[in-house]
Amino acid sequence: DAMVIQNPRYQVTQFGKPVTLSCSQTLNHNVMYWYQQKSSQAPKLLFHYYDKDFNNEADTPDNFQSRRPNTSFCFLDIRSPGLGDAAMYLCATSKGQGARETQYFGPGTRLLVL
Amino acid sequence: AQSVTQLGSHVSVSEGALVLLRCNYSSSVPPYLFWYVQYPNQGLQLLLKYTSAATLVKGINGFEAEFKKSETSFHLTKPSAHMSDAAEYFCAVNTGGTSYGKLTFGQGTILTVHP
Repeated sequence: DAMVIQNPRYQVTQFGKPVTLSCSQTLNHNVMYWYQQKSSQAPKLLFHYYDKDFNNEADTPDNFQSRRPNTSFCFLDIRSPGLGDAAMYLCATSKGQGARETQYFGPGTRLLVL
Repeated sequence: AQSVTQLGSHVSVSEGALVLLRCNYSSSVPPYLFWYVQYPNQGLQLLLKYTSAATLVKGINGFEAEFKKSETSFHLTKPSAHMSDAAEYFCAVNTGGTSYGKLTFGQGTILTVHP
């Protein structure tokens, strides 16, 4: 089945130690998104890629970066994680046809910062 | 800016009872509205969406929602709750451009189903 895959499902890192979260997709979608969901809160969009074009949300901290080396993969890099960055990170994809289309979510990676 | 508000952070129903989860939107233009479900430690799964076609939208697992412009609402219903419906439900409005979307979610409603 076509899907969005996130690895690892759980990631533990240390305060200030860079960490990378991975997302891959077999849907061949043009757009890939990263959302942050803190405990008991709604998901919040950090940024998205349309193909190789990167689009950052205005309030996304500089500590968060992303890379998309090809259509299938997208990475979320947190340069210096703080305790406040502990959250579930959700990757999503869509075809690239605008706001009326469905976004397909992966299972998420839960990040714990010690 | 477009936004959604979910009334009730927790809803509890008996198995077999009606499920009603409330969502109101704020938008100056016809919105694209979505309901997603999230099971513990899982991603989000689309239940249904409104994209300006039929106002009564049917989704998966027996859920449906009705877009009411006069009430700025998009409430989610299911006639008979099942234990497996216990999860968190998010209403969302999708903005963005012609080639991408931006989902802005409500605060979520946790549905509990008891025997």
